[in-house]
Amino acid sequence: QQQVKQSPQSLIVQKGGISIINCAYENTAFDYFPWYQQFPGKGPALLIAIRPDVSEKKEGRFTISFNKSAKQFSLHIMDSQPGDSATYFCAASGPLRDDKIIFGKGTRLHILP
Amino acid sequence: KAGVTQTPRYLIKTRGQQVTLSCSPISGHRSVSWYQQTPGQGLQFLFEYFSETQRNKGNFPGRFSGRQFSNSRSEMNVSTLELGDSALYLCASRGGDYGYTFGSGTRLTVV
Repeated sequence: QQQVKQSPQSLIVQKGGISIINCAYENTAFDYFPWYQQFPGKGPALLIAIRPDVSEKKEGRFTISFNKSAKQFSLHIMDSQPGDSATYFCAASGPLRDDKIIFGKGTRLHILP
Repeated sequence: KAGVTQTPRYLIKTRGQQVTLSCSPISGHRSVSWYQQTPGQGLQFLFEYFSETQRNKGNFPGRFSGRQFSNSRSEMNVSTLELGDSALYLCASRGGDYGYTFGSGTRLTVV
């Protein structure tokens, strides 16, 4: 119940295309859903986050879509660029500020130039 | 403001040895969490410290331990190292909001 399932494991997208990464969770107590981006040799960095009271959040080319009834959320990267090539992790956390964050296993995204 | 600092960046140890990793959180952050990152398992939660007390603990054996000092700096220790402990160990600090700020990690190789 504490798992966050992420797919696909790896993704190749042409420059200018849309990259889509999906995640699913079981624990209905989760109420904070961040996405992290990690480049080689670096730690993950917070990219964008959403709470279940909204169905979509957009920041620049990055959009989170959230489906509370299906317990699924996804990251869309519009106009994907080679600089977006990285590993992306979805995550979830419970209602308390000090709840730990549970991460998906990550998606390696490669944008073809 | 300075980010999360982890030292050392790289370590090579022999099976059976022990190792101590260090993490300095962002100034003012009192919560420090540790994660193990491996290619197959992703980011696995080890433990979290807040104001020198362990607040959360993951499912790792007792060989993995940690502590936090009064200045919020944290250390994690792994005793009796095994080959399977080879991983990137990440430290993350959290302030008043929900998100983590990660350090660049310590790459531990056990031979």
